[in-house]
Amino acid sequence: QKEVEQDPGPLSVPEGAIVSLNCTYSNSAFQYFMWYRQYSRKGPELLMYTYSSGNKEDGRFTAQVDKSSKYISLFIRDSQPSDSATYLCAMSGSGNTPLVFGKGTRLSVIA
Amino acid sequence: DAGVTQSPTHLIKTRGQQVTLRCSPISGHKSVSWYQQVLGQGPQFIFQYYEKEERGRGNFPDRFSARQFPNYSSELNVNALLLGDSALYLCASSVLAGVGEQYFGPGTRLTVT
Repeated sequence: QKEVEQDPGPLSVPEGAIVSLNCTYSNSAFQYFMWYRQYSRKGPELLMYTYSSGNKEDGRFTAQVDKSSKYISLFIRDSQPSDSATYLCAMSGSGNTPLVFGKGTRLSVIA
Repeated sequence: DAGVTQSPTHLIKTRGQQVTLRCSPISGHKSVSWYQQVLGQGPQFIFQYYEKEERGRGNFPDRFSARQFPNYSSELNVNALLLGDSALYLCASSVLAGVGEQYFGPGTRLTVT
């Protein structure tokens, strides 16, 4: 079992839809949870950064962490064609532990 | 403020050759991490440096090495290149090692033929 599981998609939605992206993980030591957006052939761009369980909202994006279920989510409201990209979840423990990434979910928002 | 910069953008090498990739972190960031991203996969951790010291190493062979300079920039070296080393090499910087947000550069795309 991989430490971080993420459905690679592809996921295709109409413009304006609410998008739900998810990751599950097996390492209970993970405390820091991130979502990155990566456009084709570019570096990942940090979207959301959360610590421990709970919700965090930033504009059209909401990140949720449920440590009891080892499950994290990213919601995108009012999705736009410019949101079309690969979304990577990443997590790490405390101290000098590196980021562990999911495979990424490829999202297409159709105008 | 400039983000993380990496050079070169693209590189084509032949099997058995050596390559050096460079990274400049965001101003004020003292930690640099290197990741390898193979097509269709998430980035995989190679090294982390903080204040010129290696703070972590991923599951990569000794052909991979890195260093960090007094100005916090970093180099990743790969010797005896294999076809399987073809990937996007990403550098990420953060203020501290181990915690806090990591910001990625655009990457260096390495093709080994």
